[in-house]
Amino acid sequence: DAGVIQSPRHEVTEMGQEVTLRCKPISGHNSLFWYRQTMMRGLELLIYFNNNVPIDDSGMPEDRFSAKMPNASFSTLKIQPSEPRDSAVYFCASSQATGGSQPQHFGDGTRLSIL
Amino acid sequence: DAKTTQPNSMESNEEEPVHLPCNHSTISGTDYIHWYRQLPSQGPEYVIHGLTSNVNNRMASLAIAEDRKSSTLILHRATLRDAAVYYCILRQSNDYKLSFGAGTTVTVRA
Repeated sequence: DAGVIQSPRHEVTEMGQEVTLRCKPISGHNSLFWYRQTMMRGLELLIYFNNNVPIDDSGMPEDRFSAKMPNASFSTLKIQPSEPRDSAVYFCASSQATGGSQPQHFGDGTRLSIL
Repeated sequence: DAKTTQPNSMESNEEEPVHLPCNHSTISGTDYIHWYRQLPSQGPEYVIHGLTSNVNNRMASLAIAEDRKSSTLILHRATLRDAAVYYCILRQSNDYKLSFGAGTTVTVRA
């Protein structure tokens, strides 16, 4: 079975550039999550979509970050303009449904370095 | 959010069992106990979850104390591939969030 697919795996870009991270959730899953992991703050939830609709974006750091889910099989996380403090590993996860008993399945992440 | 407490690190020998403890003294009746692990350079991986009864799957077993204030993840025979950070997480029945703490770093000696 195909898991959650993220691209690119690595991204190195200069400060000020636009960065777009992509995610394909597991087919049939109706919930999608974007997380960010840093040494200082650990794993943090950025945004949660249910049936392609953003439900909770309270974890999005600031207006430079935006996320979309145009259909059930694709989501993007965009940073514009990027800053060095955005350097982190960004994970996408999906689950079959929401609720405390539902496991989330994670992709292998995008390691982002902003110079 | 209900909190969990885990040891920072544990060591094990290959092919021996590993018992990872988790304390959650403020757990509520509707909190599920979830375990995830994260191998180096990979995303978190779901391991197991339970509510009140002990649970087994192909990866591990979850033993839940009768008062639910603690639980133990059991890896029956550790392999080198089991070296990872293990996270114990509580989730309410209507909650979509996973709140990751620092977890327990497990080292497996060959």
